[in-house]
Amino acid sequence: EAQVTQNPRYLITVTGKKLTVTCSQNMNHEYMSWYRQDPGLGLRQIYYSMNVEVTDKGDVPEGYKVSRKEKRNFPLILESPSPNQTSLYFCASAHVQGPYSNQPQHFGDGTRLSIL
Amino acid sequence: AQKVTQAQTEISVVEKEDVTLDCVYETRDTTYYLFWYKQPPSGELVFLIRRNSFDEQNEISGRYSWNFQKSTSSFNFTITASQVVDSAVYFCALSESNRDDKIIFGKGTRLHILP
Repeated sequence: EAQVTQNPRYLITVTGKKLTVTCSQNMNHEYMSWYRQDPGLGLRQIYYSMNVEVTDKGDVPEGYKVSRKEKRNFPLILESPSPNQTSLYFCASAHVQGPYSNQPQHFGDGTRLSIL
Repeated sequence: AQKVTQAQTEISVVEKEDVTLDCVYETRDTTYYLFWYKQPPSGELVFLIRRNSFDEQNEISGRYSWNFQKSTSSFNFTITASQVVDSAVYFCALSESNRDDKIIFGKGTRLHILP
């Protein structure tokens, strides 16, 4: 089954304790992205990656890191989490077939992070 | 700059009524893509439709239809004969062809279908 898998689904942690949210896709997609969803703000892009070893900042990258060492994985790293990073996080992937592809993104089920 | 506006924050309708969700976008690009996603109470994001800027033909899929009008920069979504299972948050999104698949989401419209 084609899917995007995020782990963990829920996490409560404390300020300053490094955490990683994993994202894995089994569709051989080149493109992967992280979003956060906050009430009244919709989804905002954090980072995205067009392929292995290629990452770029989205609209709200501060406080986050990503890496793309393998095509299937795109972990989101919070080196020193703070309460304002409490949010619902989504990972997404898509197949890129050229400059005009813009294939629909497949989303994971979301990770709810609470930073105390 | 690209922007997506969903002016309706929350809508409630009685089951079987038709309902239209508005989406207005801004872009300087001549080639762009518009999307609608559904987020049911369970939280996942479900892709509904993608539309290219050079294809203004309206689309119908069952009870769902989309009205794309470049003249007004709108991509509205209509649910006909609404059902309780349509209750969800609906997001409109925009992607420009020269922006490496960067996608901008609207803030969403929460739709309540009342039995």
